[in-house]
Amino acid sequence: TQLLEQSPQFLSIQEGENLTVYCNSSSVFSSLQWYRQEPGEGPVLLVTVVTGGEVKKLKRLTFQFGDARKDSSLHITAAQPGDTGLYLCAGVGDTGANSKLTFGKGITLSVRP
Amino acid sequence: DAGVIQSPRHEVTEMGQEVTLRCKPISGHNSLFWYRQTMMRGLELLIYFNNNVPIDDSGMPEDRFSAKMPNASFSTLKIQPSEPRDSAVYFCASSRGKGVQEKLFFGSGTQLSVL
Repeated sequence: TQLLEQSPQFLSIQEGENLTVYCNSSSVFSSLQWYRQEPGEGPVLLVTVVTGGEVKKLKRLTFQFGDARKDSSLHITAAQPGDTGLYLCAGVGDTGANSKLTFGKGITLSVRP
Repeated sequence: DAGVIQSPRHEVTEMGQEVTLRCKPISGHNSLFWYRQTMMRGLELLIYFNNNVPIDDSGMPEDRFSAKMPNASFSTLKIQPSEPRDSAVYFCASSRGKGVQEKLFFGSGTQLSVL
């Protein structure tokens, strides 16, 4: 079983602050996805990273895949109340037997106006 | 475009009763996934289908759970008999391709409470 540990578990910040959250594993992933989930809804894909060291930007969100493809970070600049939600990372295993999408438990972010 | 449609949105039932959850994937998508989400365990894959054929059901908790996909536009997840520990949000998701790395489109989920 490939485990993805996300940290911190909960984060409450003021509007305008910057933050970084993490997704870590001891396993190598062929790709890693980040989703955002709002209350009462299903997760929505934000980005997929594939190459070690890859950086992708989505407006104020910056995603990075670790060089060894075992971890990832999400940085949000000038957070807004609309960024509130559950952020999930999900990795696809690097070997045939482990080629399934495994989700972390998520990071609950609350941005106060 | 209609997304993944799940019904019912909420289900409250008593222990021992049969529960059937329904899912209509996005038209043209070849793969369908059933997930369960709880605070303790997060999002867990129960089973997934490709071209209506079950590919991996290793996440199905036990024989009380069964899933079918009789055609490309409909799938069911059945729990019989239900137990309180089955209480969770059940999500259906679909994707275009065959691989697990494909982008998943999730439905809004079914909130199941077993009393």
